[in-house]
Amino acid sequence: DAGITQSPRYKITETGRQVTLMCHQTWSHSYMFWYRQDLGHGLRLIYYSAAADITDKGEVPDGYVVSRSKTENFPLTLESATRSQTSVYFCASRGDFSYNSPLHFGNGTRLTVT
Amino acid sequence: GENVEQHPSTLSVQEGDSAVIKCTYSDSASNYFPWYKQELGKRPQLIIDIRSNVGEKKDQRIAVTLNKTAKHFSLHITETQPEDSAVYFCAASNMNSGYSTLTFGKGTMLLVS
Repeated sequence: DAGITQSPRYKITETGRQVTLMCHQTWSHSYMFWYRQDLGHGLRLIYYSAAADITDKGEVPDGYVVSRSKTENFPLTLESATRSQTSVYFCASRGDFSYNSPLHFGNGTRLTVT
Repeated sequence: GENVEQHPSTLSVQEGDSAVIKCTYSDSASNYFPWYKQELGKRPQLIIDIRSNVGEKKDQRIAVTLNKTAKHFSLHITETQPEDSAVYFCAASNMNSGYSTLTFGKGTMLLVS
């Protein structure tokens, strides 16, 4: 479903460059998340946000910055990209933390840092 | 924090056979256990979930069982079909602790041939 979209789908950047991954959702969900997916590690939480201007660190936040000035957008910035940040990044959202509000993922961004 | 272990990492079955994927969790306060399916190149999608007040839940060919005492839960797929081939992730969270995030297992690649 097109409720949560990520851009770009693919990105190649060089070590040391700044890169921003975009995430936009149309459901007005309060909660948004960034995960990275790596072989052998599954899905690991980078940052999450409970509402506009409220963000918190997840399991692997180092090297990443997030912002949430509007409810619908949750960009993830790599301030100085490193090869270890080569990964597939998934944005996700949910309306609340009830049992009836599952986590929905975007299509992902495959990032390669050379 | 919560830690979720998932086994096996790869599972190969013949079409029509059953497949079982097992997960254990560490936090006894966890009370919500969803399973996600991720087809190649696609996003993870929720296929079934179970709450801690239920021991088993079924949805057509898939079922999930939960053993709170042992802190483990399993996904069962019967009569497997080629379209079941995907990576499956289990997850756990405590829905009673404000906004608790999901902790995922490392995934199981299921191959149905």
